[in-house]
Amino acid sequence: GAGVSQSPRYKVAKRGQDVALRCDPISGHVSLFWYQQALGQGPEFLTYFQNEAQLDKSGLPSDRFFAERPEGSVSTLKIQRTQQEDSAVYLCASISYGPVYEQYFGPGTRLTVT
Amino acid sequence: AQTVTQSQPEMSVQEAETVTLSCTYDTSESNYYLFWYKQPPSRQMILVIRQEAYKQQNATENRFSVNFQKAAKSFSLKISDSQLGDTAMYFCAFMNPAAGNKLTFGGGTRVLVKP
Repeated sequence: GAGVSQSPRYKVAKRGQDVALRCDPISGHVSLFWYQQALGQGPEFLTYFQNEAQLDKSGLPSDRFFAERPEGSVSTLKIQRTQQEDSAVYLCASISYGPVYEQYFGPGTRLTVT
Repeated sequence: AQTVTQSQPEMSVQEAETVTLSCTYDTSESNYYLFWYKQPPSRQMILVIRQEAYKQQNATENRFSVNFQKAAKSFSLKISDSQLGDTAMYFCAFMNPAAGNKLTFGGGTRVLVKP
């Protein structure tokens, strides 16, 4: 596709359930980022991949959050034992390099934990 | 760690008029990039304008321009000839290429363009 795609667009989970959020980056983009955006706030960095290597996971809020990108393209963000505070929009972005350094964002997945 | 502050939660402007959004940031880096992103109600984040810290000239993109004051660590966005389609959340963001290109965002400013 022409842009970053994410699925599902909306996810409702009961507290304690596991969820998996998918991101398809722009073809050929080496780097992929995950951000969490709480309601009414700016996005916050979660984790970053370069190809299949997870180079920075400093933003993951707890060990219930796990991300992978096994073949260097599609990425999955998994949240185990979801809690209400996990409710947010999860944004994925991929980047084209120099000299632009522009991140292209997907539409996000809105997760609601009830 | 870098921080980005947007002090205006909400701004309203009449169609065809000009509005300026403020952004300040804190960093000890000398090489970095600054961005303004637009997020309409549909939620897709779109790049509006980009500024490299090493460039003294302020970036412009059609009706959008910035006032980059490196010493003051200020990066304001001016929207000229505002259009109804400019209604959105606007986020200022900082990126340090040496730290993996992750974006640090401000809290956002909601812009409402009134007809």
